[in-house]
Amino acid sequence: DVKVTQSSRYLVKRTGEKVFLECVQDMDHENMFWYRQDPGLGLRLIYFSYDVKMKEKGDIPEGYSVSREKKERFSLILESASTNQTSMYLCASTPPLANYGYTFGSGTRLTVV
Amino acid sequence: AQSVSQHNHHVILSEAASLELGCNYSYGGTVNLFWYVQYPGQHLQLLLKYFSGDPLVKGIKGFEAEFIKSKFSFNLRKPSVQWSDTAEYFCAVKTGGFKTIFGAGTRLFVKA
Repeated sequence: DVKVTQSSRYLVKRTGEKVFLECVQDMDHENMFWYRQDPGLGLRLIYFSYDVKMKEKGDIPEGYSVSREKKERFSLILESASTNQTSMYLCASTPPLANYGYTFGSGTRLTVV
Repeated sequence: AQSVSQHNHHVILSEAASLELGCNYSYGGTVNLFWYVQYPGQHLQLLLKYFSGDPLVKGIKGFEAEFIKSKFSFNLRKPSVQWSDTAEYFCAVKTGGFKTIFGAGTRLFVKA
């Protein structure tokens, strides 16, 4: 069974901390994405990557950065965590063909206190 | 700006009732359309998708959706819901390139 694995299911961090969220996929997909999911707002795209070392800003990139050093791994970095970044973070991947939907990870629920 | 609207945020139905969840998008070009489902405590998974051809698309677990281009709509339907259909449902639109835009989601609760 193909998988997208997010390293942590729950995280609690303090304001100002640097936070790393890790995502690994075993499907050899080129495209990887980070979304945040908030009630009533659906999923909002933070960053995506279409190849190793390539990254593109999504709709809400402020306060975040990403790293993709290997094809299977896509990391989301909160440079200085703030309470408004408390959210569910979802990683997803797809092959390059347009007619594939996303495969999602289980999500990381981050609480910033 | 491109957007996806889901008409109902919360829907409560009894078992065996029929379901229709509305989804409209704002984009005039070619689109690829999806419905995703998130069961309680589980990850988001693809329910069905439309790319071309027959506008009536059938997915898993008896769900179907109809693409009506003139109405910019992609409504999700199921003739008879079950308690196990309790979940949150997301409509999503891919307009080209890499990005997919999601609706705000509809939470469905099915009473046993």
